[in-house]
Amino acid sequence: LAKTTQPISMDSYEGQEVNITCSHNNIATNDYITWYQQFPSQGPRFIIQGYKTKVTNEVASLFIPADRKSSTLSLPRVSLSDTAVYYCLVGAGSARQLTFGSGTQLTVLP
Amino acid sequence: DSGVTQTPKHLITATGQRVTLRCSPRSGDLSVYWYQQSLDQGLQFLIQYYNGEERAKGNILERFSAQQFPDLHSELNLSSLELGDSALYFCASSPRGTASTDTQYFGPGTRLTVL
Repeated sequence: LAKTTQPISMDSYEGQEVNITCSHNNIATNDYITWYQQFPSQGPRFIIQGYKTKVTNEVASLFIPADRKSSTLSLPRVSLSDTAVYYCLVGAGSARQLTFGSGTQLTVLP
Repeated sequence: DSGVTQTPKHLITATGQRVTLRCSPRSGDLSVYWYQQSLDQGLQFLIQYYNGEERAKGNILERFSAQQFPDLHSELNLSSLELGDSALYFCASSPRGTASTDTQYFGPGTRLTVL
């Protein structure tokens, strides 16, 4: 069961790029890395998923080094509305293996 | 809007009582997941169903049970409620049964308050 470690909180300013790194030292060969975003009192929302190298979609990029022991979620030019908790999940197959953990509270300041 | 609906939105009840939370997945999704989120425990996976069958079980108490019906909606039953059961309960759905690669679409949640 891959355990993840993320910073508890991060602050940024509007318009900046934000990088949130997740450590997962014991990631297994068939594990995928998935990031979710959660606003207060709302359900988490899928942001991005990857297995290796780099994945980009319309809202974020995910960078995964060759050893896959960490991953970095990159949010370009954040706005106040990006203030939320960001969760890194690592696992393969069973939902039992996916733990949301405490996540990273990102606060975007004006 | 994720397409996942949950009812009721809020529920207030007393200790010892029993409640039922309902979830309707997105159209076409076969898998339903239940999560509990409390202030001190974070988001905890409870149980997953896939096409009517239990697929995975997490930290679900024996006082809690769930099922997925032929029309794919799901219900989470909580009995002998305790103060500590007060939490947000989320339902999520995904197209298939592979939690790690499927995107999970979360509903708005049911806020349960046990007095």
